Amino acid sequence: SQQGEEDPQALSIQEGENATMNCSYKTSINNLQWYRQNSGRGLVHLILIRSNEREKHSGRLRVTLDTSKKSSSLLITASRAADTASYFCATVPFSGGYNKLIFGAGTRLAVHP
Amino acid sequence: NAGVTQTPKFQVLKTGQSMTLQCAQDMNHNSMYWYRQDPGMGLRLIYYSASEGTTDKGEVPNGYNVSRLNKREFSLRLESAAPSQTSVYFCASSGVRGETQYFGPGTRLLVL
Repeated sequence: SQQGEEDPQALSIQEGENATMNCSYKTSINNLQWYRQNSGRGLVHLILIRSNEREKHSGRLRVTLDTSKKSSSLLITASRAADTASYFCATVPFSGGYNKLIFGAGTRLAVHP
Repeated sequence: NAGVTQTPKFQVLKTGQSMTLQCAQDMNHNSMYWYRQDPGMGLRLIYYSASEGTTDKGEVPNGYNVSRLNKREFSLRLESAAPSQTSVYFCASSGVRGETQYFGPGTRLLVL
């Protein structure tokens, strides 16, 4: 079964607006990662946040992690048409030797010019 | 560096046929992974290899076998393809367990 669940499943915004995607998971984690997938392509790593971190920034990306609520959010500020893609959260469970990434079903983001 | 490469890009099989999906990475990573992605879903782990010489089952291993040929190469074999194995298959690698994974471009497989 999948660990993470993203919300919303789909998001449509205008260029310049901010996009927020949420991820919830079930078990204790070592870290949580966000990936982007452009249509028909492989996944690209965006950002990793560890279980002892609460917030992390990378360019226009801001990720938060609330381990008490088992949830994370990805904020993309000042979105661009090129941000149109699917975004996945993936967790590394605390058990299992850190060998596995467990993915959610993703949020499809459409940014309109 | 090419990163993670996969062959073929696209394949059509008939039910019962066999095939091997190839994956290679040039980043000197220890760990390699095979995932499948079905429409509207995230990736599900089929098999992984934490280091050269070891392989382990993931979430959905039934119907598949893997070989970690050397540090660079990790192949996925379908012995007797079934329509339920129609999917997009991604190979990935990581230098450190549990850290960033680098993905190949995927292989689209259609089983008729």
